Amino acid sequence: DAKTTQPPSMDCAEGRAANLPCNHSTISGNEYVYWYRQIHSQGPQYIIHGLKNNETNEMASLIITEDRKSSTLILPHATLRDTAVYYCIVRVYLGGATNKLIFGTGTLLAVQP
Amino acid sequence: DAGVTQSPTHLIKTRGQQVTLRCSPKSGHDTVSWYQQALGQGPQFIFQYYEEEERQRGNFPDRFSGHQFPNYSSELNVNALLLGDSALYLCASRLRMASSPSTDTQYFGPGTRLTVL
Repeated sequence: DAKTTQPPSMDCAEGRAANLPCNHSTISGNEYVYWYRQIHSQGPQYIIHGLKNNETNEMASLIITEDRKSSTLILPHATLRDTAVYYCIVRVYLGGATNKLIFGTGTLLAVQP
Repeated sequence: DAGVTQSPTHLIKTRGQQVTLRCSPKSGHDTVSWYQQALGQGPQFIFQYYEEEERQRGNFPDRFSGHQFPNYSSELNVNALLLGDSALYLCASRLRMASSPSTDTQYFGPGTRLTVL
């Protein structure tokens, strides 16, 4: 069922940009890419999502390749509080305006001081 | 603006018992989904409820059942608990008829940690 693959872990220096990659080569044309993060077994926190255009909000930027087979989440200035597991997710529509999120195994981002 | 709330935060049960977990959706949301997250794994979709009915279901046995109330809150029931049911149970809510797919976002609660002994 997994539609995304991510590296299991990454390090980033505090204050630098964190670039988290994700592969979703089997994504369908109407399926969105979502990013959530989870800090120490709390509930996942929504970050950003997109379909095919690059997106930016107050938390992050999302770069989706033209063929939509991969994407990169960018945290422009990582802080220690950004240490978390980051999930790249495909949102699958199930019909009748219902959908589900298919989570992968996530990337543990460790921000180093 | 109240976010998604869940109760209880922690629960300990023994094998064979039954458990009920509760969820109140984010204000303005009408659809609730439940996810199970085993230790070290990503969340797995259990089912989704709107208009008080189960609409879609993941690969979970019938021991897992749910309910949605007229105020959109929801319960997850698990019967005949197994050791393997130990997990963090997450509730997520959304507005089913969002203005567009681009604004359709699910928000998660803090979860209920269930331990089965």
